[in-house]
Amino acid sequence: DQQVKQNSPSLSVQEGRISILNCDYTNSMFDYFLWYKKYPAEGPTFLISISSIKDKNEDGRFTVFLNKSAKHLSLHIVPSQPGDSAVYFCAALLETSGSRLTFGEGTQLTVNP
Amino acid sequence: EPEVTQTPSHQVTQMGQEVILRCVPISNHLYFYWYRQILGQKVEFLVSFYNNEISEKSEIFDDQFSVERPDGSNFTLKIRSTKLEDSAMYFCASRGLVGTGELFFGEGSRLTVL
Repeated sequence: DQQVKQNSPSLSVQEGRISILNCDYTNSMFDYFLWYKKYPAEGPTFLISISSIKDKNEDGRFTVFLNKSAKHLSLHIVPSQPGDSAVYFCAALLETSGSRLTFGEGTQLTVNP
Repeated sequence: EPEVTQTPSHQVTQMGQEVILRCVPISNHLYFYWYRQILGQKVEFLVSFYNNEISEKSEIFDDQFSVERPDGSNFTLKIRSTKLEDSAMYFCASRGLVGTGELFFGEGSRLTVL
């Protein structure tokens, strides 16, 4: 049941450049999409979310774009910093299903100084 | 800042033993969850809990698993008879009223079944 998919297991960028992390989903009924950041041996930390009725949400260096017709969302980080290096999980939430959050596989972002 | 706390941080157990993982969600939150992550794999949903009952569970959450909120603050996950494949990081999460959809996660409990 691959409802949320992150096709890139890893991404490497230079400090100061833009990082673009991508996510695809199959269920058009999802209500919210979220991005979480995770360090080894720690719990996922919420970064930013977007409602399904919006197409963009921005918070500082982080912007999430939602393309509902393509069932695709992306997270832009600009400028990227070495401290951004972590695994980034895309997640989607369906309010009617017990508010279950479905995660993608994750993308390991490495920002090189 | 309020946070979700989990204990123990690491538990090692023998196959077939019972394990209880404990969580204290954020105090005014209403939705509670358990997720797990097997090493190198994605974060998987186990169960959601609302209004003192399970609201949804995944196919992973079989009869060996149970959850309860015995005292209004702790939220526990019990595995009755652990198997080798239960070895994973177990994350508790909680969520407030409907809003942004954000779940707050604890630091996780690492379970190692020998």
